[in-house]
Amino acid sequence: QKEVEQDPGPLSVPEGAIVSLNCTYSNSAFQYFMWYRQYSRKGPELLMYTYSSGNKEDGRFTAQVDKSSKYISLFIRDSQPSDSATYLCAIKRGGGANSKLTFGKGITLSVRP
Amino acid sequence: EAGVTQFPSHSVIEKGQTVTLRCDPISGHDNLYWYRRVMGKEIKFLLHFVKESKQDESGMPNNRFLAERTGGTYSTLKVQPAELEDSGVYFCASSQGLGDTQYFGPGTRLTVL
Repeated sequence: QKEVEQDPGPLSVPEGAIVSLNCTYSNSAFQYFMWYRQYSRKGPELLMYTYSSGNKEDGRFTAQVDKSSKYISLFIRDSQPSDSATYLCAIKRGGGANSKLTFGKGITLSVRP
Repeated sequence: EAGVTQFPSHSVIEKGQTVTLRCDPISGHDNLYWYRRVMGKEIKFLLHFVKESKQDESGMPNNRFLAERTGGTYSTLKVQPAELEDSGVYFCASSQGLGDTQYFGPGTRLTVL
């Protein structure tokens, strides 16, 4: 079983839609949860970071973590064409020595004008 | 402030040849990570330096891969001899502290023919 599974894509939505992206993970040792955004031919860029269950909001983006279900989500409100990118969930164990990131496969989102 | 830079952006070599990838982290970042994405798969961790020391090299696939970070500044990743399955995008990331945000470079796309 993979340590993190991400809903497959690609995903195409009209401008203004609400987008929901989801990942599940298998090991409760993972304590930190991130969403990275990657534009074509660029490196991943941190979008959201959280370590507790619940919601964290930043503008049009909301990251949600449910540790009891080992489920993480990213919601994008009022999606824009500029949100078209690949979105990757990433998780990390606790403890200073365990700083490597474990990524989901990523989902490519296309927002149609 | 300059971000993480990687060189070259793209490398095409033949099976059996040697390739050296370079990463320049953000100035002052002690932590440097190498990751790789093989086509169709998720981004996977290769290794982690703290300054010039290898903190974690659990993701290195085999002894054909050699990573160095002399002087704790830039890092090189050498693949010798390259095999077809080494093709993919190699990302470098850096962070100031162990638990801090990892900033990714644009990646080096390696194609082994």
